[in-house]
Amino acid sequence: GAVVSQHPSWVICKSGTSVKIECRSLDFQATTMFWYRQFPKQSLMLMATSNEGSKATYEQGVEKDKFLINHASLTLSTLTVTSAHPEDSSFYICSAWKRGGAETQYFGPGTRLLVL
Amino acid sequence: SQKIEQNSEALNIQEGKTATLTCNYTNYSPAYLQWYRQDPGRGPVFLLLIRENEKEKRKERLKVTFDTTLKQSLFHITASQPADSATYLCALYNTNAGKSTFGDGTTLTVKP
Repeated sequence: GAVVSQHPSWVICKSGTSVKIECRSLDFQATTMFWYRQFPKQSLMLMATSNEGSKATYEQGVEKDKFLINHASLTLSTLTVTSAHPEDSSFYICSAWKRGGAETQYFGPGTRLLVL
Repeated sequence: SQKIEQNSEALNIQEGKTATLTCNYTNYSPAYLQWYRQDPGRGPVFLLLIRENEKEKRKERLKVTFDTTLKQSLFHITASQPADSATYLCALYNTNAGKSTFGDGTTLTVKP
């Protein structure tokens, strides 16, 4: 068990549009979900931590109005990139902590975003 | 803030040999440390977790050691195979912050 899915797996959009990425824990309840972005040949950069039913905690330097995070249930968190620009093009990955076992982060497969 | 250094960006070894990857950290000792494997264009996959009071952990061909005095973890893959080629990330969990910090990763290439 402990499968995390992301949708879509890749998306191409025009500059100025908004893009929503979904992260779901398929076979467990996630107390906390994390959103990362990763540039080529670089490590994971934590963007924000979201807990079900409460506001997300953003890392320093991450614009909360730009990257809207909603954690509506114990199995779903969404990241919306608002008014996307080419510099937002990146690989976005979510991960989740399993309820009752907050040690291992289970990662989704990632979403590749390309903003033209 | 916690700083993590993983040895050389790339490591090339011959099939059958043991690969040894290093993860060094500064500042506080984490409650636990994890190793992940990441393939190109994919999310990381959890491999092993070792706690601060554990010296060594094994899983099949994988072995992790944790030396809190040296502030270092070593990750070994014995009898390496080309299929082991990937980027390996170490992550340190900060109890106070409630989150993990990831290293930049080491890309391992196992040549047949």
